[in-house]
Order: sequence, then structure tokens, then C-alpha cells
Amino acid sequence: GEDVEQSLFLSVREGDSSVINCTYTDSSSTYLYWYKQEPGAGLQLLTYIFSNMDMKQDQRLTVLLNKKDKHLSLRIADTQTGDSAIYFCAESGGYQKVTFGTGTKLQVIP
Amino acid sequence: NAGVTQTPKFRVLKTGQSMTLLCAQDMNHEYMYWYRQDPGMGLRLIHYSVGEGTTAKGEVPDGYNVSRLKKQNFLLGLESAAPSQTSVYFCASYEGWDTEAFFGQGTRLTVV
Repeated sequence: GEDVEQSLFLSVREGDSSVINCTYTDSSSTYLYWYKQEPGAGLQLLTYIFSNMDMKQDQRLTVLLNKKDKHLSLRIADTQTGDSAIYFCAESGGYQKVTFGTGTKLQVIP
Repeated sequence: NAGVTQTPKFRVLKTGQSMTLLCAQDMNHEYMYWYRQDPGMGLRLIHYSVGEGTTAKGEVPDGYNVSRLKKQNFLLGLESAAPSQTSVYFCASYEGWDTEAFFGQGTRLTVV
């Protein structure tokens, strides 16, 4: 079945850039997503990219997609303490469901 | 516009007890999903529904049942709770499978 993998933890200093990586196995993925989960809350969509795109920028967020390697990354510029959360990569490509990764916990050190 | 509402928010069950988790959405979405979230394992799909009256198994369906009698509600049942079902449960709804998912706030279930 589909599989989405992420590293579990990332620690950065406030003001630095954060890069969260994700790999997926489903070659038919059409949409790839980044969700953010703050403590005690559900997931909220941050951004998404369509599979025919290489890059998408949205304010401090940059998503890069390497479709050949099935690699997705989320870069957060000028990381703030409010960015501390768990970030989930997800993909959808068929079978009427979305597959989520394990989540990467981002810790921002003041 | 409430979005996706889950009830209850917290519950403690004894092994062998049963319970039903309710997910309600007011966005007229066709697709509804139940996930469980465990440390280091991300979100795993339990069951999902692509429309009123339909249900399908996800990645980890054993020990759970679901029903979608009304489009706006998706119920998750545990017939005989086990400690392995201690988890945080999230419901999500989608307009279509390739669109944004809207999540509920989660139900923290502990089985002792």
C-alpha cells in the first residue's frame, strides 16, 4: 500500500530556516499536503502542491517536490516559536483516501 | 459554521466496555474518515466513508465498526474495548479525496 515517511524530530533556533522532509511511495499521487498540528488540537492544512508542480511558495513557506525521487519538503523561513508543532506530510492519488506520514515534531529554540 | 465536531472529547473505558464516538460535519462533505493517532506512528486510517450509507476499511479496522446513516454523521464504535485501543481519535471530512481535509479536535480515549 501507500507509504509516507518523515523523520520524527527537528530542532532549530528561532530565526533560522527549518526544512522538513518527506518521502512517499505512491507514484500516482496527485496532491501532496502539509498539515500542522498544535498541541491538543486537530490538524490544519498549511499548504499543498499539485503533482505537476516543482515548487510552491506561500509567504514564509516553500514546498519543493521532486517527483522522480518521490520527495517532498517544507521550508519555513525565519522560524518562530509559534511554529513549534507537529508537521504532517500527506498524499492522495486514488483509492479515495489520503495517506499521512508519521509527523515531524518541530522544536524552535528561542 | 462549526466544521467538524467530535464527541466526546475525553473518555476512560474499562476493558470489555463498548462505546460510540460521534463525528458530525456541517459542510455537506461526501467523504468522512476516522483516524487514530499514536506516538511515532502518525495518523492511521481506521475506516472511511465516501457517501451516505457507505463504509470501507482502512489500514487498521480490526476492533472497530462504523456507520454512516446520515451524510453529516460518521459513527465509530468499539464493541469490546482493549488497552491497545488507547489512542487519540480524529475524524476528518473532505469535499473530495483530493481536497483539503477538515479535522475535528480529537477524542482522547484511555482503556484501562
